[in-house]
Amino acid sequence: NAGVTQTPKFRILKIGQSMTLQCTQDMNHNYMYWYRQDPGMGLKLIYYSVGAGITDKGEVPNGYNVSRSTTEDFPLRLELAAPSQTSVYFCASSYEPFSSYNEQFFGPGTRLTVL
Amino acid sequence: AQKITQTQPGMFVQEKEAVTLDCTYDTSDPSYGLFWYKQPSSGEMIFLIYQGSYDQQNATEGRYSLNFQKARKSANLVISASQLGDSAMYFCAMRGPDSNYQLIWGAGTKLIIKP
Repeated sequence: NAGVTQTPKFRILKIGQSMTLQCTQDMNHNYMYWYRQDPGMGLKLIYYSVGAGITDKGEVPNGYNVSRSTTEDFPLRLELAAPSQTSVYFCASSYEPFSSYNEQFFGPGTRLTVL
Repeated sequence: AQKITQTQPGMFVQEKEAVTLDCTYDTSDPSYGLFWYKQPSSGEMIFLIYQGSYDQQNATEGRYSLNFQKARKSANLVISASQLGDSAMYFCAMRGPDSNYQLIWGAGTKLIIKP
């Protein structure tokens, strides 16, 4: 199993450009998440999904959109990139968040710089 | 609202010594889970250990153990016999039923092991 994969690893955008961060998991997890990690900080949830066709906002959704057409894929769309979106983006997945034990599996991250 | 606090921004520890990384949490929910993740300089998030709020015993995983003091709302990570490879950022995170599936993250502690 590849686990959670993310592309690209690095990207530099100009202000106002758009892009899609790709995330794919092969563990048949229903739950998927997008986090951002600003320098020296913990992670903050952008969006999450509890299954194909179902998504919801997290703590910091402004400036982002997501879709979940399949169990495996959970792309994150940035529209009109701004310098405040410079961050490292992590995609994660988990099997069942309400079980007593629910490890989230993380992708390697995408380092995005907006200039 | 749920909250995680890690009060140690950075720590230096001599190799082979034990180290305790502090984590306190705030929640009004009786059911919750606490996680520790390691983030080396390469950037990936590595799951270390989990403690459920109803678990009777403190969690242990190899050299990692969790000093769980429920009444004090603390879940400190203890690393025994530290190694140079333990140098990394360490994050404490909490999941609870009222957190909309997300993990709430602390700001992290940067641990540096000195040879």
